[in-house]
Amino acid sequence: NAGVTQTPKFQVLKTGQSMTLQCAQDMNHEYMSWYRQDPGMGLRLIHYSVGAGITDQGEVPNGYNVSRSTTEDFPLRLLSAAPSQTSVYFCASSYGYPGYNEQFFGPGTRLTVL
Amino acid sequence: GQQLNQSPQSMFIQEGEDVSMNCTSSSIFNTWLWYKQDPGEGPVLLIALYKAGELTSNGRLTAQFGITRKDSFLNISASIPSDVGIYFCAGPLNSGNTPLVFGKGTRLSVIA
Repeated sequence: NAGVTQTPKFQVLKTGQSMTLQCAQDMNHEYMSWYRQDPGMGLRLIHYSVGAGITDQGEVPNGYNVSRSTTEDFPLRLLSAAPSQTSVYFCASSYGYPGYNEQFFGPGTRLTVL
Repeated sequence: GQQLNQSPQSMFIQEGEDVSMNCTSSSIFNTWLWYKQDPGEGPVLLIALYKAGELTSNGRLTAQFGITRKDSFLNISASIPSDVGIYFCAGPLNSGNTPLVFGKGTRLSVIA
């Protein structure tokens, strides 16, 4: 199993550009999440999904869109990148709710917005 | 929203020393989770606690679920260089099947 994979590993964008961060898992997990990690801020939830076709907002959803058309994939879209979105982005998945099921994290995407 | 307060924010210790860190909240949690993030990687679950007063070990790591349900502690015994990283506590936003909220982390450095 590859686990949770994220692409790209690094990305530099200009303000106003759009892009999609890819996330895939091969563990047949229903629950997937996107977090951002900023220095000294810990991990903050952007969006999450409890299954294909179902998504919900987390703590910091503004400026980001998600969709879940398949169990395996959970892409995160930046609609119009801003410098405040410079961060490390982590995708995670678990069999069920992460409070009761081990949550596995991808290696992260390091995004810089100029 | 609910917040988890971790302390200390960072610590520098000598190899072989024991380490203690904690996590507190103004709200009750029914689950406490401890994760470790190695430099340049995603977090990995270390220990999960589900019952007030529960004490659970994983090798040199021991974590406790506080009896007030508002705090949790993580201890590392006889630290080694590979213990370096950021340790996060986490728990469900509300009781039951809800997303996790994370503390801001404790950054551990081990001096050989």
